[in-house]
Amino acid sequence: GEQVEQLPSILRVQEGSSASINCTYENSASNYFPWYKQEPGENPKLIIDIRSNMERKQTQGLIVLLDKKAKRFSLHITDTQPGDSAMYFCAASERNTNTGKLTFGDGTVLTVKP
Amino acid sequence: DTTVKQNPRYKLARVGKPVNLICSQTMNHDTMYWYQKKPNQAPKLLLFYYDKILNREADTFEKFQSSRPNNSFCSLYIGSAGLEYSAMYLCASSRAGGQDTQYFGPGTRLLVL
Repeated sequence: GEQVEQLPSILRVQEGSSASINCTYENSASNYFPWYKQEPGENPKLIIDIRSNMERKQTQGLIVLLDKKAKRFSLHITDTQPGDSAMYFCAASERNTNTGKLTFGDGTVLTVKP
Repeated sequence: DTTVKQNPRYKLARVGKPVNLICSQTMNHDTMYWYQKKPNQAPKLLLFYYDKILNREADTFEKFQSSRPNNSFCSLYIGSAGLEYSAMYLCASSRAGGQDTQYFGPGTRLLVL
């Protein structure tokens, strides 16, 4: 199976600065890497994802990087705002055309201080 | 509508009693998943249905059952709840395809006393 390690578990940054979360995976067959944001009392929501045919993807202040050789992927939030405060989960999906079994990291609690 | 619904949102159960949690989606997704999430831990996949085929994780095989009477509904059944079952249970669904987005429901918080 897959194992995903996510660091840091807690991240506090000042408003306007950037925040970075790093994940590593073990299964070289994993080829899909989504990031989920979960706010208190809410369900996890997909915010950005990257597939193995890409090394970088950017959308609305979010950047994800994928290094397949190192089996590492990361989320970078630029110009953080208090609304970015939440729990963030990375995940990796095994190569399976029928089902999307996700293995999650343990999560990062991001706090953006005004 | 990308909503996944779960009922109930909160459930209190006694040790040794059964628990049944319900999930529904109207996106005509082929795959529905159940995850268990405990505080400060990653969501852990318990089982998933691809169409009518149930796949249960090896380490939770005997603890959880599920049924999917139709494409829209999926249940998670605990025959005899133990204290260790207290957790948030998240349902998700996706179209067929290993790289399709999984949409999560709001979860059911189960407390076993």
